[in-house]
Amino acid sequence: KNQVEQSPQSLIILEGKNCTLQCNYTVSPFSNLRWYKQDTGRGPVSLTIMTFSENTKSNGRYTATLDADTKQSSLHITASQLSDSASYICVVRTNTGNQFYFGTGTSLTVIP
Amino acid sequence: DTGVSQDPRHKITKRGQNVTFRCDPISEHNRLYWYRQTLGQGPEFLTYFQNEAQLEKSRLLSDRFSAERPKGSFSTLEIQRTEQGDSAMYLCASSLGGQDNYEQYFGPGTRLTVT
Repeated sequence: KNQVEQSPQSLIILEGKNCTLQCNYTVSPFSNLRWYKQDTGRGPVSLTIMTFSENTKSNGRYTATLDADTKQSSLHITASQLSDSASYICVVRTNTGNQFYFGTGTSLTVIP
Repeated sequence: DTGVSQDPRHKITKRGQNVTFRCDPISEHNRLYWYRQTLGQGPEFLTYFQNEAQLEKSRLLSDRFSAERPKGSFSTLEIQRTEQGDSAMYLCASSLGGQDNYEQYFGPGTRLTVT
């Protein structure tokens, strides 16, 4: 069964600290993996897209890694800011059909 | 603002009523997706259009749900005889197809509450 699991479910960190969010997937065949940021009550916004051959990709203070062999990805946030408080969703796309499989997200709260 | 708009942003309806939501994608995007998201969960795929053709429908899309994209531009999602379990955020996304790595741009969503 195609699934995307994220951990932790929620996380609270102090402003300025770093954190790492995890994503494990069983989706096959794999096409790409995306990380989205979703503010409360709004649609998700793309942070990174990674294909099979990419191990790491950065977008400002966000760095995503991908290990396609172990089917794991992580999203590292450096020097967190209050505006980073949001839900972070891992999404895996198959290359058959047009299916996107979403994780349940990690709810991040950054406190001053 | 991603350029994808949805209307209305909020809808409260009584069980058994019909509701219709509208999505306006980014103008040159040929692909349009509908998702449903319940509280604390990630979005779930409902259906997908390439231009005006509806190419895929999820098993989640029961007979009470219908989606259209008549001219390959805006899309509507109609729910007939709403049930309390239909309460959710309905998200629309659009993309410029072709490459596997195309970006999906999401709208702000329509939050449906069925009382």
